[in-house]
Amino acid sequence: DAGVIQSPRHEVTEMGQEVTLRCKPISGHDYLFWYRQTMMRGLELLIYFNNNVPIDDSGMPEDRFSAKMPNASFSTLKIQPSEPRDSAVYFCASNKGNQPQHFGDGTRLSIL
Amino acid sequence: QKEVEQDPGPLSVPEGAIVSLNCTYSNSAFQYFMWYRQYSRKGPELLMYTYSSGNKEDGRFTAQVDKSSKYISLFIRDSQPSDSATYLCAMGLDSGYSTLTFGKGTMLLVSP
Repeated sequence: DAGVIQSPRHEVTEMGQEVTLRCKPISGHDYLFWYRQTMMRGLELLIYFNNNVPIDDSGMPEDRFSAKMPNASFSTLKIQPSEPRDSAVYFCASNKGNQPQHFGDGTRLSIL
Repeated sequence: QKEVEQDPGPLSVPEGAIVSLNCTYSNSAFQYFMWYRQYSRKGPELLMYTYSSGNKEDGRFTAQVDKSSKYISLFIRDSQPSDSATYLCAMGLDSGYSTLTFGKGTMLLVSP
């Protein structure tokens, strides 16, 4: 079975540019989560969706961050404009509500 | 006090050793407990999960939850070099697996 698929795996861009991260959840999962991982702060929840509807976006750090889930098989996390402090590994995870979350392999983002 | 505390390590052991990894937590409302393994440049991979207190065994891995002490453990028997990874504990409230709090992870190094 295919797991959670994220793209791109690596992204290097200059400060001020728009960054779009993509995620395809596991088929049949009705929850989707976006996390950010850094050495200092560990794994932080940014936002999560249930049945394509955003439920909790309290972890989104600033208005520069936005996330969408137009359908059950696709979600994006956008940063515009990007800043060097946004450099981190961004993970997408999905689950059925009564089962633990499964993670993708992440996007390693570097903002120069 | 952080909600979930985990010693960052690294914890270095020889092949074949029994490994004990631990997390303490402060929120007595946590009911769901998980252990994830994360290899370098990969996403967290679910190892084990339990609801409420008790033990759970899966092959060489045993998860224990002591809610009275707010303490969870993961034991690895006959450790192998392939077990070298970062181990993250995660906890959820009674609402289920949707809103998890993660420890920062313990790095384990198993030498041949």
